Amino acid sequence: GESVGLHLPTLSVQEGDNSIINCAYSNSASDYFIWYKQESGKGPQFIIDIRSNMDKRQGQRVTVLLNKTVKHLSLQIAATQPGDSAVYFCADASGNTPLVFGKGTRLSVIA
Amino acid sequence: DADVTQTPRNRITKTGKRIMLECSQTKGHDRMYWYRQDPGLGLRLIYYSFDVKDINKGEISDGYSVSRQAQAKFSLSLESAIPNQTALYFCATSDPRTAEETQYFGPGTRLLVL
Repeated sequence: GESVGLHLPTLSVQEGDNSIINCAYSNSASDYFIWYKQESGKGPQFIIDIRSNMDKRQGQRVTVLLNKTVKHLSLQIAATQPGDSAVYFCADASGNTPLVFGKGTRLSVIA
Repeated sequence: DADVTQTPRNRITKTGKRIMLECSQTKGHDRMYWYRQDPGLGLRLIYYSFDVKDINKGEISDGYSVSRQAQAKFSLSLESAIPNQTALYFCATSDPRTAEETQYFGPGTRLLVL
């Protein structure tokens, strides 16, 4: 079956630095991924998505990179701010069945 | 997201009790989901419903049941609660008519089973 995982459970970065959160997937047929941000006490919120016809997609201060060859995607946050502190999930949204979520990476921003 | 609401937000119950968690949405979405979140395990799907007449088991449906009373309402029941069902429960919705079928999550229900 599908699995979506993250390389590191926790990540600490200095305020102002860039953050990179990684995610690996196992299904080579997967073609659509979503990144979610979950702040303490709240439900996950959509950040950015990417389809397999793209290698890179940019949003506001966030960039997602997709490497289909090694089945890996990453979320890059530029100029990380204290408000970016949260748990970040990648999700495989490829199939007709609901999302397959990774376990999450907790990002802590050091002021 | 205020468009997806869950009640109660917190619940303490005892082993063997039947409890119901409720989810309501004003987004007009056909699809609704129930997830469970445990520390270190991420979000795991319990049940999902693609419309009022449709109910599907997710990854961890044992010990749970659901009811889709209307497009806007999807409730989750624990028939006989046990301590390892202590977790954070999230309801979510999505609209299959959109190209990016993003799920919108409620604020969560924190459940403690003693």
